[in-house]
Amino acid sequence: EVQLVQSGAEVKKPGESLKISCKGSGYSFTSYWIGWVRQMPGKGLEWMGIIYPGDSDTRYSPSFQGQVTISADKSISTAYLQWSSLKASDTAMYYCARSLRVTTLSPFYYGMDVWGQGTTVTVSS
Amino acid sequence: DIQMTQSPSSLSASVGDRVTITCRASQSISSYLNWYQQKPGKAPKLLIYAASSLQSGVPSRFSGSGSGTDFTLTISSLQPEDFATYYCQQSYSTPSGFGQGTRLEIK
Repeated sequence: EVQLVQSGAEVKKPGESLKISCKGSGYSFTSYWIGWVRQMPGKGLEWMGIIYPGDSDTRYSPSFQGQVTISADKSISTAYLQWSSLKASDTAMYYCARSLRVTTLSPFYYGMDVWGQGTTVTVSS
Repeated sequence: DIQMTQSPSSLSASVGDRVTITCRASQSISSYLNWYQQKPGKAPKLLIYAASSLQSGVPSRFSGSGSGTDFTLTISSLQPEDFATYYCQQSYSTPSGFGQGTRLEIK
């Protein structure tokens, strides 16, 4: 079965660091991009960034550039999203999702077809 | 960055109705447009990619059309399980972006 399994819910204090994960299975991890999407409580979807685990090509939304770091370890089929200093405004659900990589097409041409279950991050003092 | 605008923001309809949701891009994106469905407490689900291609396993009552800047998602005959929030996403370039969502509610 093709799936992305995300790490569990986190409760953190402002200023703390955090790294959440997204593990792929049932498919060739290096044939797909992995993207991250934020959903704040009661709000819509926001595209944060994307990484190609094959060569670590990473692209960020300007809204999130410098605020988070996206990385991947292809040896264990896992992508990561990390913060060095959390803020209360980082409280949200975070989803990872895959998108087929075709070198002649944009990263999302075939859409994000498999999603993780989401990781809830709560930042509160 | 390319901005995506959906309309309406919310919509009330009945089972069996035909429903259309619109998505407009701030510049031409050819056919680089995807549609997703999200139910409360669940991850989004891909319905349509490349403006009009139906994702495997998605019922044929869902269809997409459009190119350039204007796109539509149509549900030909609403079923109870279709009441959800729908998002468009431009796949023309990075940074990608989603529309603000259209909440489809039961009348």
